[in-house]
Amino acid sequence: DVKVTQSSRYLVKRTGEKVFLECVQDMDHENMFWYRQDPGLGLRLIYFSYDVKMKEKGDIPEGYSVSREKKERFSLILESASTNQTSMYLCASSYRTGLGHGYTFGSGTRLTVV
Amino acid sequence: ILNVEQSPQSLHVQEGDSTNFTCSFPSSNFYALHWYRWETAKSPEALFVMTLNGDEKKKGRISATLNTKEGYSYLYIKGSQPEDSATYLCAFKDSSYKLIFGSGTRLLVRP
Repeated sequence: DVKVTQSSRYLVKRTGEKVFLECVQDMDHENMFWYRQDPGLGLRLIYFSYDVKMKEKGDIPEGYSVSREKKERFSLILESASTNQTSMYLCASSYRTGLGHGYTFGSGTRLTVV
Repeated sequence: ILNVEQSPQSLHVQEGDSTNFTCSFPSSNFYALHWYRWETAKSPEALFVMTLNGDEKKKGRISATLNTKEGYSYLYIKGSQPEDSATYLCAFKDSSYKLIFGSGTRLLVRP
């Protein structure tokens, strides 16, 4: 069964901490994405990567960075966590062209910053 | 900024009712329209990926239609069951890598 695995289901961090959210996929997908989901809003794209060491800003990159050193792993980094980054974070992956294919999502990490 | 809108925001129906929801998206630079089902405590799961105007797709009791010229898609559920309770997301894909999501329709099916 193909999978996107996010390292933590729930996470509580303090304001100012550096936070790492990890995502691993086993489908050899080229594209990987980080979204956040907040009540009343759609999934909003933070960053995406279409190849190893490549990254592109999404719609809300401020306060975040990413790392993709290996094809299967895409990490989201909160440089200095703030309370407005409390959210559900979802990782997804897809094939490069992906025109006829849906994304495969992880089960999400619910991050609370206190 | 591309806008994808879904209506209604939430829907409560009785078991056995048929229901439908709408997704509106930009009618220009269209590449694909995705539908996902997101059950509580689970991952969003792809239902349909539609690429051609007039596409109709079906999966069991769930079906979807696509009109790219006017920028809308309908999702239909025939004979709703409690296990259909979920948030249904649509997402628009243009020529970039990005998928733009609507805010979803939350469906609750009462036994």
